[in-house]
Amino acid sequence: EVQLVESGGVVVQPGGSLRLSCAASGFTFDDYAMHWVRQAPGKGLEWVSLISWDGGSTYYADSVKGRFTISRDNSKNSLYLQMNSLRAEDTALYYCAKEGRTVPFDYWGQGTLVTVSS
Amino acid sequence: DIQMTQSPSSLSASVGDRVTITCRASQGISNYLAWYQQKPGKVPKLLIYAASTLQSGVPSRFSGSGSGTDFTLTISSLQPEDVATYYCQKYNSAPFTFGPGTKVDIK
Repeated sequence: EVQLVESGGVVVQPGGSLRLSCAASGFTFDDYAMHWVRQAPGKGLEWVSLISWDGGSTYYADSVKGRFTISRDNSKNSLYLQMNSLRAEDTALYYCAKEGRTVPFDYWGQGTLVTVSS
Repeated sequence: DIQMTQSPSSLSASVGDRVTITCRASQGISNYLAWYQQKPGKVPKLLIYAASTLQSGVPSRFSGSGSGTDFTLTISSLQPEDVATYYCQKYNSAPFTFGPGTKVDIK
């Protein structure tokens, strides 16, 4: 059974930093690209970032480019999101999502809540 | 970047009604279009990919169509368990933009 478990969400002050983690199990982690998607309270889904299966290619939404860094450790079956220079508008539930071979986001974690507030 | 729009933003229909949601891309995306269902307080679930391919386990009352810039999600007979927000998403290339969502509830 595929499982994605996010962690690391906390309350952080504006300008602060945070690293989110996503622990994957139930599939061959290093075969698949992975994504981060966020959802602000009461709002829609916003794609944040993509990393290829080997970490060689990364992509970001304009809203986070230059502030967030996606990475993965295939030896630990883990995905990460380093978030710097956090802003109030980064407050959201952050999901990690698995990309399938021919399908988009076929599995999602339960999410971890990041709150940026003074 | 390609923008995704959806209409309507919300709708209310009776059980058994046929429901149609429209998604439009600002530029052509071939058939790289997915639909997700998010029930209140739950994680999004993939319903349809490649514009019209039903994900495994999804009830056959859901269907998708379209190509290029215009797409539709149809629920042939609305059920109480279909109350949710539905999002379209382009996935041909980054950014993997979602539409703003369509909230569906029961009249």
